Amino acid sequence: GQNIDQPTEMTATEGAIVQINCTYQTSGFNGLFWYQQHAGEAPTFLSYNVLDGLEEKGRFSSFLSRSKGYSYLLLKELQMKDSASYLCAVMDSNYQLIWGAGTKLIIKP
Amino acid sequence: TAGITQAPTSQILAAGRSMTLRCTQDMRHNAMYWYRQDLGLGLRLIHYSNTAGTTGKGEVPDGYSVSRANTDDFPLTLASAVPSQTSVYFCASSVQTGSYGYTFGSGTRLTVV
Repeated sequence: GQNIDQPTEMTATEGAIVQINCTYQTSGFNGLFWYQQHAGEAPTFLSYNVLDGLEEKGRFSSFLSRSKGYSYLLLKELQMKDSASYLCAVMDSNYQLIWGAGTKLIIKP
Repeated sequence: TAGITQAPTSQILAAGRSMTLRCTQDMRHNAMYWYRQDLGLGLRLIHYSNTAGTTGKGEVPDGYSVSRANTDDFPLTLASAVPSQTSVYFCASSVQTGSYGYTFGSGTRLTVV
């Protein structure tokens, strides 16, 4: 079966750095996505990786290792507004997104 | 503002009743999707449409039907609601199947009692 694993919840301090991991087992691979979802709102697109390596976009970076079935999302200089759930998703061989359950990130002052 | 509009925002529905969740996009995206989101689970695909006039079944299609008569609209119908269909429903779209950067609607919170 297809499976996306990520921690259920993480806590970090304002101004710090946090890394959210995601491991996957899917039938085929056509890219890995990270989305941010604030409570009661829709998911919004953060990043896309299809090749191995690090993609940096401002305070957010995303890393992919296809051989290990592993990705992480790195958030720097954490702000209170970063409190949200972070969803990892993989596009499979049928070009459909398989979603993890999400990691709820709690930022403390 | 361009995007996806979902209606209603929330609804309480008696078991056995039917209901249609509406979804309209103004971005001329070819592909559209319906997901349900339940606590502790990832988004699960109910039905999808690669282009107007075509639809396909996702991971959890039972009890749901869709139509795609034109590019903009992708309604989701529950023919006879059951309590297990209590969930938050999100409509999404992408330029085409396989493209990244899905755009999501704001969701419909449905409670079946």
